[in-house]
Amino acid sequence: GNSVTQMEGPVTLSEEAFLTINCTYTATGYPSLFWYVQYPGEGLQLLLKATKADDKGSNKGFEATYRKETTSFHLEKGSVQVSDSAVYFCALSGNFGNEKLTFGTGTRLTIIP
Amino acid sequence: EAGVAQSPRYKIIEKRQSVAFWCNPISGHATLYWYQQILGQGPKLLIQFQNNGVVDDSQLPKDRFSAERLKGVDSTLKIQPAKLEDSAVYLCASSWEGGRIPGGLFFGSGTQLSVL
Repeated sequence: GNSVTQMEGPVTLSEEAFLTINCTYTATGYPSLFWYVQYPGEGLQLLLKATKADDKGSNKGFEATYRKETTSFHLEKGSVQVSDSAVYFCALSGNFGNEKLTFGTGTRLTIIP
Repeated sequence: EAGVAQSPRYKIIEKRQSVAFWCNPISGHATLYWYQQILGQGPKLLIQFQNNGVVDDSQLPKDRFSAERLKGVDSTLKIQPAKLEDSAVYLCASSWEGGRIPGGLFFGSGTQLSVL
């Protein structure tokens, strides 16, 4: 079945540091890939997505590229802010637009001023 | 546009008691999901509805969990009787008709359940 493996956390960085959160997946066919973010006390929000190989999703300064050859979808940001502190989840959905999501375990990110 | 509404926000019960969670999806969203998020883990799908029909309940522990979606709008998830391992955040999500927008799920804030 489908599965997602995420970088273990927690991750603590200083403001303006470069961020990478690793994500690899196992799936059959052609899944879509996502990053969701959960701010303290709030629900999950879609951060970015990519629906086919070599697509790059981007939002709020975050980027991730769908790499089919390495089955990866690493999240990056060039300069993090305190407001980026949250839990980040990598996820994939099934083939043919099936929206059911399989999530990774999440990575807690804390940015210190 | 109003988001996905869930209640209660928190619930504390003793093991073997019953509990129910309520979800009101975004207006017009045909698909509704219930996820269980145990501390330190990613959300796991319990059940998916399309309108008022069940699409997938393969990971729902049917001996103690039940869910319904009356008239294809609101949904209720029930646990009876609860076990200690049911302590988790229960997330409701909704989306437009299933299959059209990959990953286009909107999540509620969740109900945090503690079973003592």
